[in-house]
Amino acid sequence: DSGVTQTPKHLITATGQRVTLRCSPRSGDLSVYWYQQSLDQGLQFLIQYYNGEERAKGNILERFSAQQFPDLHSELNLSSLELGDSALYFCASSVVQKGRNYEQYFGPGTRLTVT
Amino acid sequence: AQSVTQPDIHITVSEGASLELRCNYSYGATPYLFWYVQSPGQGLQLLLKYFSGDTLVQGIKGFEAEFKRSQSSFNLRKPSVHWSDAAEYFCAVGADPSTSGTYKYIFGTGTRLKVLA
Repeated sequence: DSGVTQTPKHLITATGQRVTLRCSPRSGDLSVYWYQQSLDQGLQFLIQYYNGEERAKGNILERFSAQQFPDLHSELNLSSLELGDSALYFCASSVVQKGRNYEQYFGPGTRLTVT
Repeated sequence: AQSVTQPDIHITVSEGASLELRCNYSYGATPYLFWYVQSPGQGLQLLLKYFSGDTLVQGIKGFEAEFKRSQSSFNLRKPSVHWSDAAEYFCAVGADPSTSGTYKYIFGTGTRLKVLA
């Protein structure tokens, strides 16, 4: 158990819909990362937040957005869903201090199926 | 540009045989290097990490990795593979925020390990 929790575990929805994925980081970790993992694209970095602020953006679509709340949990919002958005979505957290990157701890993931 | 290459998509070894998974990186500054393992349907679990110091690092589950700056490599090894090691393995590079200003991790495409009984 990494200490990172994600809900829900599975999500099935239809094209055009909007969903919200939730992540709670490990206690004490200020940084949260979101990743998308699909068979054809592999593990893709989407976005990073640090203590409530966006810090880095990866291959995140404009239809997707995220935020980190004062209690440090994070939500990833996916809208206007397409079949191609079906994937595993992982959240990871880490301690980040100036001058050093620490390892990430991954949650169990949310499997999104768009039908 | 920063990149991580895992040249082997699939590797098959017999149980009890030795294992080496290759990882090459491209990064201008001192890299922070990681190996993760992912079992089917699971999240990624950290096996080991290299930040500085001794270039041979020990991890969990009997794995080790060696950082070779001259070859830009961080290969993962295990002397004797167990059937439970069958999984996908990811190498990753962490960007140093003090020089790049970003907090990006770059993952390789993964190597899927199959273990024959």
